[in-house]
Amino acid sequence: RKEVEQDPGPFNVPEGATVAFNCTYSNSASQSFFWYRQDCRKEPKLLMSVYSSGNEDGRFTAQLNRASQYISLLIRDSKLSDSATYLCVVRPGTYKYIFGTGTRLKVLA
Amino acid sequence: DGGITQSPKYLFRKEGQNVTLSCEQNLNHDAMYWYRQDPGQGLRLIYYSQIVNDFQKGDIAEGYSVSREKKESFPLTVTSAQKNPTAFYLCASSPRYNSPLHFGNGTRLTVT
Repeated sequence: RKEVEQDPGPFNVPEGATVAFNCTYSNSASQSFFWYRQDCRKEPKLLMSVYSSGNEDGRFTAQLNRASQYISLLIRDSKLSDSATYLCVVRPGTYKYIFGTGTRLKVLA
Repeated sequence: DGGITQSPKYLFRKEGQNVTLSCEQNLNHDAMYWYRQDPGQGLRLIYYSQIVNDFQKGDIAEGYSVSREKKESFPLTVTSAQKNPTAFYLCASSPRYNSPLHFGNGTRLTVT
């Protein structure tokens, strides 16, 4: 089993739609969780950290479910500019960061 | 402006040559990392360093070497022993435990 797993997609959604991605992790001792956005042929950029109580940043909401060992990202009112690959990142209690392979999102006009 | 600078952006080399990728940060971060990304794959850790003069192998360190002589600098050498060196190389840093990674804009290496 991979340490961090994501559905590769692509998720094709119309503008204005709500879309959600999940990411599962295998190490129950994992302590830090993040969502990054990566545009084609660019470096990943931090979208948001994920906190135990869940957190929101504008149209983006992140949740952590420790019991089931997954994190989620919800995007409301999708924009064309949200089209990108979304990377789930887990830090299992060491200095290492483990990346998922990413979920591709395409928002269609 | 603080950030991480990787150079060059594109690099072309012939098979059998060693090549060094530069990574410099002025964020005063202690920890620095090198990742490799191949098409359709996630980022894979090559090496990381928590402090000056100390570094650890990541998951795919074979064929690579690093040094950390200064806090700001963490160069990566891709040696001729690396079987498939063509990839997108990303350098990152982190200020402390549990903080997110900050990335440089990457170096795309092509070896023919």
